Amino acid sequence: EVQLLESGGGLVQPGGSLRLSCAASGFSFSTYGMSWVRQAPGKGLEWVSGISHTGSATYYADSAKGRFTISRDNSKNTLYLQMNSLRAEDTAIYYCAKDLGATGSYWGHWGQGALVTVSS
Amino acid sequence: EIVLTQSPATLSLSPGERATLSCRASQSIRRYLAWYQQKPGQAPRLLIYDASSRATGIPARFSGSGSGTDFTLTISSLEPEDFAVYYCQQRSDWPLTFGPGSKVDIK
Repeated sequence: EVQLLESGGGLVQPGGSLRLSCAASGFSFSTYGMSWVRQAPGKGLEWVSGISHTGSATYYADSAKGRFTISRDNSKNTLYLQMNSLRAEDTAIYYCAKDLGATGSYWGHWGQGALVTVSS
Repeated sequence: EIVLTQSPATLSLSPGERATLSCRASQSIRRYLAWYQQKPGQAPRLLIYDASSRATGIPARFSGSGSGTDFTLTISSLEPEDFAVYYCQQRSDWPLTFGPGSKVDIK
């Protein structure tokens, strides 16, 4: 059974940093692309960042470019999102999601989400 | 950036009725479109990908159609568990984008 477990969320002040992790199990992690998708309270879904199965290619939404860094450790079956210079508008539930394919696709499995709150 | 618009924003129907949701892309995305269902407090669930392929375990009452810029998700006969928000998403080009969602609620 595919499982994705996010961790690292919490309360951070504006301008601060946070690193989210997503521990994957139940599938061959190194075969699939992965993404982070977020949802602000009461709002819709927003794709944040994606990474290819090898980690050699990374992609970002404009809202994340220059502030967030996606990475993965295939030896640890773990996906990461380093978030710097956080703003109030980054407040959201952050979901880790598994691509259907090797990169840039659709997401057939999602984690339960990690809540990030940016507030002073 | 490819912009997806969804209509209607809200659809009020009764169980057993047919639901038809629309998603329009700002430029051609061929058939690179998915539909997701999301219920309150839950992660999204993939229903349809590549415009018309049902994801694993998705009931046959869910169907997708369309290509280019116009797409449709049809629920042939609403079950009580189908009342939720539905999002479309494109993978034709980066950045990947979602539509704003359509809510199907109970009339």
